Amino acid sequence: NAGVTQTPKFRVLKTGQSMTLLCAQDMNHEYMYWYRQDPGMGLRLIHYSVGEGTTAKGEVPDGYNVSRLKKQNFLLGLESAAPSQTSVYFCAIAGGDTGELFFGEGSRLTVL
Amino acid sequence: GQNIDQPTEMTATEGAIVQINCTYQTSGFNGLFWYQQHAGEAPTFLSYNVLDGLEEKGRFSSFLSRSKGYSYLLLKELQMKDSASYLCAAMDSNYQLIWGAGTKLIIKP
Repeated sequence: NAGVTQTPKFRVLKTGQSMTLLCAQDMNHEYMYWYRQDPGMGLRLIHYSVGEGTTAKGEVPDGYNVSRLKKQNFLLGLESAAPSQTSVYFCAIAGGDTGELFFGEGSRLTVL
Repeated sequence: GQNIDQPTEMTATEGAIVQINCTYQTSGFNGLFWYQQHAGEAPTFLSYNVLDGLEEKGRFSSFLSRSKGYSYLLLKELQMKDSASYLCAAMDSNYQLIWGAGTKLIIKP
């Protein structure tokens, strides 16, 4: 997971609270992704970015916003957290010979 | 629709061989990835196949048949540290990854 750092690693929120997850990379890659992982389901893409200043919706974007003001940082925001957003969130960057993904360590979010 | 199917759980014995299957249906195809994910950790890249055939990488091999929409991951000489979930993901024509739910592999001594 070297090169992709997520903060915070753990967070507990109350319904309606807001928060921001930060993903920082030092690998100078263009493509960055935010996924959520829930038991019994595959990774689901929330939002992604193909470069500084760009963002796009993934499979499950509702309830989330993102920003990519700097190439190395990709922020995921929850404006009004809901229990359905309890999940493990992974940031990833695309690189390598085959465009494989390098993941951050994950951020475990619980919404009460 | 786009879909990935893989078994939910498999059990194997230390030292043995196990094959984890994955079938996929995507709009277009730009390759098939396998990732390993230990409990509580992030996925890590194992293999990529875009052409038919077998790719071998140490104890791990991955096979692809594009005409059948089928791939498998073969793990040889199983070790306890191979206990993990194995995620199959296919890349569609828009270069988006479609993920399977993962196969939890349990290794018994």
